[in-house]
Amino acid sequence: DAKTTQPPSMDCAEGRAANLPCNHSTISGNEYVYWYRQIHSQGPQYIIHGLKNNETNEMASLIITEDRKSSTLILPHATLRDTAVYYCIVTGTYKYIFGTGTRLKVLA
Amino acid sequence: SAVISQKPSRDICQRGTSLTIQCQVDSQVTMMFWYRQQPGQSLTLIATANQGSEATYESGFVIDKFPISRPNLTFSTLTVSNMSPEDSSIYLCSVSYRGEGQKLFFGSGTQLSVL
Repeated sequence: DAKTTQPPSMDCAEGRAANLPCNHSTISGNEYVYWYRQIHSQGPQYIIHGLKNNETNEMASLIITEDRKSSTLILPHATLRDTAVYYCIVTGTYKYIFGTGTRLKVLA
Repeated sequence: SAVISQKPSRDICQRGTSLTIQCQVDSQVTMMFWYRQQPGQSLTLIATANQGSEATYESGFVIDKFPISRPNLTFSTLTVSNMSPEDSSIYLCSVSYRGEGQKLFFGSGTQLSVL
């Protein structure tokens, strides 16, 4: 079973920040939090990952709580092209167990 | 970024036949994996493709049904054998690269429909 829990769907207005939560209360000390997204039926695309500290790259920001039991992916200015299923994955190895993800719909 | 070529991109097959899916990567990778995504579902790991040896299968997947080869560092095949309509899915190749940690890169997938 997946180690993460995500809301099944979210809507976000275009141009606004999209905040996607993920619960991973059983995360181990050596496990990272990875975020991927899947647009339509394409292969998942890597977004960002982190261990303890907050991370930011050109696509998004990742906020991890101090106890590491939850995290939030932030898309600062969502566009229509960000409409996708977003997966939060916790792993300490190459073996990914995908949960059901969050279907984000960006509205014009 | 990784260039992962997967062939065919889609196919429609008859029940009882087999289909081999190819995955070619542009540079040497550390790990190669095969995933399945059934309609409307999330991704499920089928197996890890090991170079020069038998693949490591996840629970619920067996070599007779999903034989996998990986003759070198950049190429792997997945065969879906004796297909039934329940095998209709997207099959995805994924790889990791040295220096990229546990980050995985995914191919565009093979959309398989079994009639």
